[in-house]
Amino acid sequence: GAVVSQHPSRVICKSGTSVKIECRSLDFQATTMFWYRQFPKQSLMLMATSNEGSKATYEQGVEKDKFLINHASLTLSTLTVTSAHPEDSSFYICSARGLAGGFPMPDTQYFGPGTRLTVL
Amino acid sequence: GQNIDQPTEMTATEGAIVQINCTYQTSGFNGLFWYQQHAGEAPTFLSYNVLDGLEEKGRFSSFLSRSKGYSYLLLKELQMKDSASYLCAVVDSNYQLIWGAGTKLIIKP
Repeated sequence: GAVVSQHPSRVICKSGTSVKIECRSLDFQATTMFWYRQFPKQSLMLMATSNEGSKATYEQGVEKDKFLINHASLTLSTLTVTSAHPEDSSFYICSARGLAGGFPMPDTQYFGPGTRLTVL
Repeated sequence: GQNIDQPTEMTATEGAIVQINCTYQTSGFNGLFWYQQHAGEAPTFLSYNVLDGLEEKGRFSSFLSRSKGYSYLLLKELQMKDSASYLCAVVDSNYQLIWGAGTKLIIKP
């Protein structure tokens, strides 16, 4: 249980294009989803927190106009990297947190498998 | 400020036991997580402690002392597949997850 999927798993794009990454909780409802970025040999860096039906909360230093987040339903959040540049190349990971008091464990974040973005 | 400290890297031998420590200073405390992350993959949930004491789950155990701001992850009967980074994360008073930088565990035959 508590499965989170992420699509695509790997994407290579040209500089200036936009890339959309989907994050889905497959067997539970997630009121909150998180988007992280991780550079090689570094820890996770939280980019933004998204709650279903409301605007995402971005961490300091993360451009909300560049990283568009939509959390349209309790099982789906999307991250769009707009006008991607080589410095945006990274491993993007989403996680989902279940409803309080229910399955899966409350407050626990379950991670998707990640999306490796390479911008040429 | 908020801070999570854990060793950068540890080395252990296959079949042995290793303890990965984590100390934290956060604004409030609402639980501590341990995650495992293999290279190139996303983290996977290992354990959650919110009360003091030891939680055992198979070969892995996690301990918490809230008064000391301290936790450890204990791995027994180490296997080569346990080579990974182990991330300690604390839920603060705002229910935000504060992440440690992770401990890279290297298992040698």
